[in-house]
Amino acid sequence: ETGVTQTPRHLVMGMTNKKSLKCEQHLGHNAMYWYKQSAKKPLELMFVYSLEERVENNSVPSRFSPECPNSSHLFLHLHTLQPEDSALYLCASSQGRQGYYEQYFGPGTRLTVT
Amino acid sequence: KNEVEQSPQNLTAQEGEFITINCSYSVGISALHWLQQHPGGGIVSLFMLSSGKKKHGRLIATINIQEKHSSLHITASHPRDSAVYICAVNPGTASKLTFGTGTRLQVTL
Repeated sequence: ETGVTQTPRHLVMGMTNKKSLKCEQHLGHNAMYWYKQSAKKPLELMFVYSLEERVENNSVPSRFSPECPNSSHLFLHLHTLQPEDSALYLCASSQGRQGYYEQYFGPGTRLTVT
Repeated sequence: KNEVEQSPQNLTAQEGEFITINCSYSVGISALHWLQQHPGGGIVSLFMLSSGKKKHGRLIATINIQEKHSSLHITASHPRDSAVYICAVNPGTASKLTFGTGTRLQVTL
């Protein structure tokens, strides 16, 4: 138990669906992240939120839309996804901006797009 | 070519063996992280280091900044150590992590 929870743990959706992934951290951290992990590829940073401001968008397609209403909650809204978006989506948090602090990861959401 | 290279990609060991996983990187860094990912996906941070050596239980991490190389050692390996071990670096001029593809370790009885 890392103090970071994610729901749902598994999600199957069609290409025309709209769904949201939720992440919550109970550690008092002020930075949160969304990562994508595809088979045989390194972890890819999608979004960083620090002090409720989005500070980085790694050229992620607009069909992925993040939302960070406060420092404890992070959402990833999904719409009109493609089969290649099937992957493990991981949320993480840290005390400060990434790289300089240890990151605490959630268990991930396994997404399958059909 | 990835900025962070790990070797080996896959490793099988018998219980009790001493294990070494290597990480080489090509950019200047301010910190290096070792992470552990168990089947099912959850990732745990093992170490963050910028110089020298750190030890936690049976795990030891070392880094040589001049050679741009880090190693993760596991002493007296156990089947519960079976996981994917991921190296990540923080390039000195940026605040984002760059990840290796991971080393899959299987420890058998």
